[in-house]
Amino acid sequence: QKEVEQNSGPLSVPEGAIASLNCTYSDRVSQSFFWYRQYSGKSPELIMSIYSNGDKEDGRFTAQLNKASQYVSLLIRDSQPSDSATYLCAVNLRGFGNEKLTFGTGTRLTIIP
Amino acid sequence: DADVTQTPRNRITKTGKRIMLECSQTKGHDRMYWYRQDPGLGLRLIYYSFDVKDINKGEISDGYSVSRQAQAKFSLSLESAIPNQTALYFCATSVGHTTDTQYFGPGTRLTVL
Repeated sequence: QKEVEQNSGPLSVPEGAIASLNCTYSDRVSQSFFWYRQYSGKSPELIMSIYSNGDKEDGRFTAQLNKASQYVSLLIRDSQPSDSATYLCAVNLRGFGNEKLTFGTGTRLTIIP
Repeated sequence: DADVTQTPRNRITKTGKRIMLECSQTKGHDRMYWYRQDPGLGLRLIYYSFDVKDINKGEISDGYSVSRQAQAKFSLSLESAIPNQTALYFCATSVGHTTDTQYFGPGTRLTVL
């Protein structure tokens, strides 16, 4: 089992719909969770960070964390063509004291106009 | 001006050659990281440094070495390049806590023939 797992996609969503991206992780004591967006040929940029169970909203983006089930998700409302990118889930596995992030392989999202 | 810069941006080299990739940052961050990205494998950590005197191996350090010349500079060397080191290489920085965002440079595309 991969430490951080994402469906590689591609995930196709019509413009204006909700895109739902999921990520599972292996270590129950993980504390910090991040979603990065990466356009083709570009560097990753942070979209959302979440540390507590529940939902965290920022504009059209909502991150959801469920530590008991060991998954974190990202919802993108009112999807726009500019949201087409690869979304990387990153987890600070094994909690504080483990000073590294482990990245999933990413989910490629395509918004269809 | 970009906060995290990488040079060169593209490099083609031959098997057996020594090559150095350089990273500089003006963010004032203590922590710096080197990752490589391969299709289907995501971002993998090569080396990381928490300050000038602290260097740590990541998950795929074999065949690579690093030098932290100053707080702002972190270089990655391939002592004898081989074709399977062909990849996109990213430098990243963070302030100094595992919950903090990592900021990525623009990347170096390296091809080893």
